[in-house]
Amino acid sequence: GENVEQHPSTLSVQEGDSAVIKCTYSDSASNYFPWYKQELGKRPQLIIDIRSNVGEKKDQRIAVTLNKTAKHFSLHITETQPEDSAVYFCAASSRTGGGADGLTFGKGTHLIIQP
Amino acid sequence: DVKVTQSSRYLVKRTGEKVFLECVQDMDHENMFWYRQDPGLGLRLIYFSYDVKMKEKGDIPEGYSVSREKKERFSLILESASTNQTSMYLCAIQTGTGNTIYFGEGSWLTVV
Repeated sequence: GENVEQHPSTLSVQEGDSAVIKCTYSDSASNYFPWYKQELGKRPQLIIDIRSNVGEKKDQRIAVTLNKTAKHFSLHITETQPEDSAVYFCAASSRTGGGADGLTFGKGTHLIIQP
Repeated sequence: DVKVTQSSRYLVKRTGEKVFLECVQDMDHENMFWYRQDPGLGLRLIYFSYDVKMKEKGDIPEGYSVSREKKERFSLILESASTNQTSMYLCAIQTGTGNTIYFGEGSWLTVV
């Protein structure tokens, strides 16, 4: 099955700086890669996703890049703000369009924004 | 908006008790999941279901079973709760559009 590795486990950055979280996956058939943000005591919420036919996707201060050859993908947050403090999870799935494999998640990155 | 409701948010159960965690969705989605979340381990898939009465084991099914008698409801069952099942349990649904998965609020279970 799929295996997803996520690094670092904790990331502390100064407010206004950029943050980068990296993930690798093992199954070359995987073709959907979402990122979730989980604030303390709340459910994980999808913030951005990318599919294997796209190399990069951006949404305001958040961007995700995908390198299929190397089987890794990254989350980039620019101009970090205090509300970006949370745990971030990457995930990978092997199916699209209604398959029910679910997602395999990384172990999470605790992002701390220092004032 | 996608709505996934977990009716029991906080439970305390005794070792050996049978525990039911209920999850209800309101949008007729076929695919539903149960995940378990533990610090340092991320989210791990316990079971999923792709239709009424259909179920598949995930990565960590031992000690759990599931029931899906109606499309909108997916239940996680701990036949005999043990202390190592103390965790947060997240129900999720998968929309028909690609693989987007949405989570419920979570159920915090403590087994004493």
